[in-house]
Amino acid sequence: ILNVEQSPQSLHVQEGDSTNFTCSFPSSNFYALHWYRWETAKSPEALFVMTLNGDEKKKGRISATLNTKEGYSYLYIKGSQPEDSATYLCASLTAGGTSYGKLTFGQGTILTVHP
Amino acid sequence: GAGVSQSPSNKVTEKGKDVELRCDPISGHTALYWYRQRLGQGLEFLIYFQGNSAPDKSGLPSDRFSAERTGESVSTLTIQRTQQEDSAVYLCASSFKTGSMAFFGQGTRLTVV
Repeated sequence: ILNVEQSPQSLHVQEGDSTNFTCSFPSSNFYALHWYRWETAKSPEALFVMTLNGDEKKKGRISATLNTKEGYSYLYIKGSQPEDSATYLCASLTAGGTSYGKLTFGQGTILTVHP
Repeated sequence: GAGVSQSPSNKVTEKGKDVELRCDPISGHTALYWYRQRLGQGLEFLIYFQGNSAPDKSGLPSDRFSAERTGESVSTLTIQRTQQEDSAVYLCASSFKTGSMAFFGQGTRLTVV
């Protein structure tokens, strides 16, 4: 994996459904993995910053896991609500060289939760 | 300030004109990032600053783009001789230190006509 890739590109679920999506990132020179939520007409808002292999973070109904050895992270939403509708972005930060500090984003997963 | 502030919020300019976009990061944040989002696309990295230095300028699309940061505070992104393909939302973000959570501004919507 050379770039940050997210799947699926978009997702439609019904209110109350649980859902998850994937972020794949370069595992070499890994430093940190970020998740952001971007609602329409607003700025991206940080959800999680994860650095350690095996990390699990939780914020309300949203949780995330991290596997730095294989280069992937999952974001889970339990009991989706219409207000969860947004684009979910992950971003990878690698260590070393001039790229250190460069936060590279995936294309995002657009989640729509139908009432 | 309380959050990241960008100005102007909207800018319409004629092709060939120069534009300056401003970003005021959160006070005390040492890292500052510029991204752009063209219609239907993801966030494209342009440049980041650690303090007043820019270790990585690889994302700047052409030599028409330049950025500076002074006083470990305000940053300006300048686009010279604007082209229609420069039309995008330009987002600025800052973080306390490199790698920590980034806080985004509301963006500047640039339209080149």
